[in-house]
Amino acid sequence: NAGVTQTPKFQVLKTGQSMTLQCAQDMNHNSMYWYRQDPGMGLRLIYYSASEGTTDKGEVPNGYNVSRLNKREFSLRLESAAPSQTSVYFCASTVRNTEAFFGQGTRLTVV
Amino acid sequence: QKEVEQNSGPLSVPEGAIASLNCTYSDRGSQSFFWYRQYSGKSPELIMSIYSNGDKEDGRFTAQLNKASQYVSLLIRDSQPSDSATYLCAASSGSARQLTFGSGTQLTVLP
Repeated sequence: NAGVTQTPKFQVLKTGQSMTLQCAQDMNHNSMYWYRQDPGMGLRLIYYSASEGTTDKGEVPNGYNVSRLNKREFSLRLESAAPSQTSVYFCASTVRNTEAFFGQGTRLTVV
Repeated sequence: QKEVEQNSGPLSVPEGAIASLNCTYSDRGSQSFFWYRQYSGKSPELIMSIYSNGDKEDGRFTAQLNKASQYVSLLIRDSQPSDSATYLCAASSGSARQLTFGSGTQLTVLP
């Protein structure tokens, strides 16, 4: 049972480049989330998807887009990367009102 | 803006002592509360969940919830060096029960 799988684990981008972070879960969870974590700031919600076919903005959505491709997959896209988007990104999934399971994280550096 | 506040620490306790971690939340609609442990460079892992007022014990860990005071705490008894990590408090609310995290408390258990 793989749980939540994120790819890639590490990425370096130049300012203005685009990329997509991939996330897949095999636990049949309805809800999926993207968070970013910066030093001393905990995790901040970027976007979430309560169920297949729906997406909503979280606390810090600017500069990002998401796609809930199917029940298993939830991708995060940076259209034009900026140094302020240097962070660690976590994907998570949950069954309603229970614990969230996290992927291993993607460490993104924008230079 | 939903907020979860934690003492940022760092908190140091000697091995065998009780570590006490505290958290307050602003959204009275929050229904579920979680404590996650995060080792450096790793993803958060759930250690306790609590849904109703009172205490919940699991081994060396006790979570306490007081919804009237909007306060959540975590006690770690007989602290071990392996408990040294950052502890994240989270509150769940909203249509997708999305988690709002505090900034974390860094705990060091001294041998």
